[in-house]
Amino acid sequence: DTAVSQTPKYLVTQMGNDKSIKCEQNLGHDTMYWYKQDSKKFLKIMFSYNNKELIINETVPNRFSPKSPDKAHLNLHINSLELGDSAVYFCASSQEQGHVGELFFGEGSRLTVL
Amino acid sequence: DQQVKQNSPSLSVQEGRISILNCDYTNSMFDYFLWYKKYPAEGPTFLISISSIKDKNEDGRFTVFLNKSAKHLSLHIVPSQPGDSAVYFCAASALYGKLTFGQGTILTVHP
Repeated sequence: DTAVSQTPKYLVTQMGNDKSIKCEQNLGHDTMYWYKQDSKKFLKIMFSYNNKELIINETVPNRFSPKSPDKAHLNLHINSLELGDSAVYFCASSQEQGHVGELFFGEGSRLTVL
Repeated sequence: DQQVKQNSPSLSVQEGRISILNCDYTNSMFDYFLWYKKYPAEGPTFLISISSIKDKNEDGRFTVFLNKSAKHLSLHIVPSQPGDSAVYFCAASALYGKLTFGQGTILTVHP
């Protein structure tokens, strides 16, 4: 039973399209995240939500819009896709207690923009 | 401005020997440090952590060392096994802050 699951795992699309990546966690955690792993391999935080409330927004273009319908779900919608959006996007969750400690990651969604 | 850096993109080690992965950070507010391991087509998984009040934490074959004055931490794996071959990410956080990752080091353990 997967703890953090995200769909789709692979997504190939044309520039200018709009796409969504879904994420669900069954760990009962309060906090969820989206990370982007770009071509330089750094894992960079994009957003975090705590109990459906936006906590961190790391200067991400407003073409990226996260939505958290409940604390178990955090979806990522991307408008007007650009070539530079090609990356692997990881969803994660944690049970924060002061420090962001152990994150539980999904398997990643590889987005390719042509 | 990358606050957590892993300057070795890759490391190759013989099975049974020690693997040492290094990580440097610049933010003196970081006080909690973690290592994650990632296999291809999977998400990173937590491996071991250390608080800044300690300089060493051990879990089986894995030991993390923290040198606060040098802003440096390292992960030692001994003995290394082929199944340890993966990408290792160093990460750091401050109280109520976000988790910041390095770019990872690819470890290959040869039989």
